[in-house]
Amino acid sequence: DSGVTQTPKHLITATGQRVTLRCSPRSGDLSVYWYQQSLDQGLQFLIQYYNGEERAKGNILERFSAQQFPDLHSELNLSSLELGDSALYFCASSSDPGFSGVTTDTQYFGPGTRLTVL
Amino acid sequence: SQKIEQNSEALNIQEGKTATLTCNYTNYSPAYLQWYRQDPGRGPVFLLLIRENEKEKRKERLKVTFDTTLKQSLFHITASQPADSATYLCALGREEYGNKLVFGAGTILRVKS
Repeated sequence: DSGVTQTPKHLITATGQRVTLRCSPRSGDLSVYWYQQSLDQGLQFLIQYYNGEERAKGNILERFSAQQFPDLHSELNLSSLELGDSALYFCASSSDPGFSGVTTDTQYFGPGTRLTVL
Repeated sequence: SQKIEQNSEALNIQEGKTATLTCNYTNYSPAYLQWYRQDPGRGPVFLLLIRENEKEKRKERLKVTFDTTLKQSLFHITASQPADSATYLCALGREEYGNKLVFGAGTILRVKS
């Protein structure tokens, strides 16, 4: 058990809908990362938050957005869903703020949310 | 853009042998490289991190090498066991990029008894 929790475990929805995925980081970790893993794309970095602020951005679609709340939990919002958005969505956390000069820490991944868009 | 290549074929080996997995990269100068293990339907689990100024790192039966000239990392599991069967992912990063990891597609390892 990594200490990172994600809800829900599974989500089935229809095209055009909007969903929210939730992540609680390990106790004490200030950084939260979101990844998408699909069969044809592998694990793709979406976005990182550190202590409530956006720190780094990957190939995140404009239809997707995220935020980190004062209690450090994070939510990933996916809207106008398409069939191609079906994937496993992972959240990871670390104590690393992710800027130059700071020793890199490992990332601890949650169990993931499996999203199926029908 | 950055490209990471791992063994595209699954690696099948006999129990007790050494498994060697390869991670090659282009268009990137990572400051560090990490290896993760992922079991089906579960999140990746961190195994080892090696920095650009380190040639080799060991942890129990695991060994990682990092050759920045060849742009390659090798991941070894010695005395492999069926429980080592999983997908192994390599990931590259630089602190300047906000610890944003770039992952390879992974290599499936199957250890047969």
